[in-house]
Amino acid sequence: DAGITQSPRYKITETGRQVTLMCHQTWSHSYMFWYRQDLGHGLRLIYYSAAADITDKGEVPDGYVVSRSKTENFPLTLESATRSQTSVYFCASSDSFSYNSPLHFGNGTRLTVT
Amino acid sequence: GNSVTQMEGPVTLSEEAFLTINCTYTATGYPSLFWYVQYPGEGLQLLLKATKADDKGSNKGFEATYRKETTSFHLEKGSVQVSDSAVYFCAPLPKNRDDKIIFGKGTRLHILP
Repeated sequence: DAGITQSPRYKITETGRQVTLMCHQTWSHSYMFWYRQDLGHGLRLIYYSAAADITDKGEVPDGYVVSRSKTENFPLTLESATRSQTSVYFCASSDSFSYNSPLHFGNGTRLTVT
Repeated sequence: GNSVTQMEGPVTLSEEAFLTINCTYTATGYPSLFWYVQYPGEGLQLLLKATKADDKGSNKGFEATYRKETTSFHLEKGSVQVSDSAVYFCAPLPKNRDDKIIFGKGTRLHILP
């Protein structure tokens, strides 16, 4: 089915481990985004990408790495997980940056760092 | 930089009550304005949008009017239902591609039967 999928849905990891969260979209949207959702902070932008091989930092990029070798995939890597990175992570995509283009979100990955 | 301010939640109402969730923003130029809704355990989904001043977006009984003079985009519904219980996010879409797409902190809505 067309859409945007995130995996895994739930992940528990230990402090210091490397973790990669996957995001895949089937629409060939140019723009992709990673947000984290925390109580009291709402949604905060981590990284975004305007096209394959083009990425840029958001509001809270420290401790995260992204890549976009293919249009449809936008993985997010926590190089050395910390407890402060316990959160729900959402991937989103958009076909353009035009005035009329909403973001389409995946169902999220709930990450717990112990 | 751009910013969004939403009213603090949670908001608790009885079924059939009138709902208003306030949203004001600061942005360069005149962005498009969106409301998203997040149901439990799901990602955000578009609820409605307005792309220019005085436009009214509407969907599922919800409405919001783009007020340029007050930089606001308040969400309203005349008669809420239990199924409207969710978290609502206001999000301006900047005209400048160098500006980041940011969201309000979200307003949690509880509707009591």
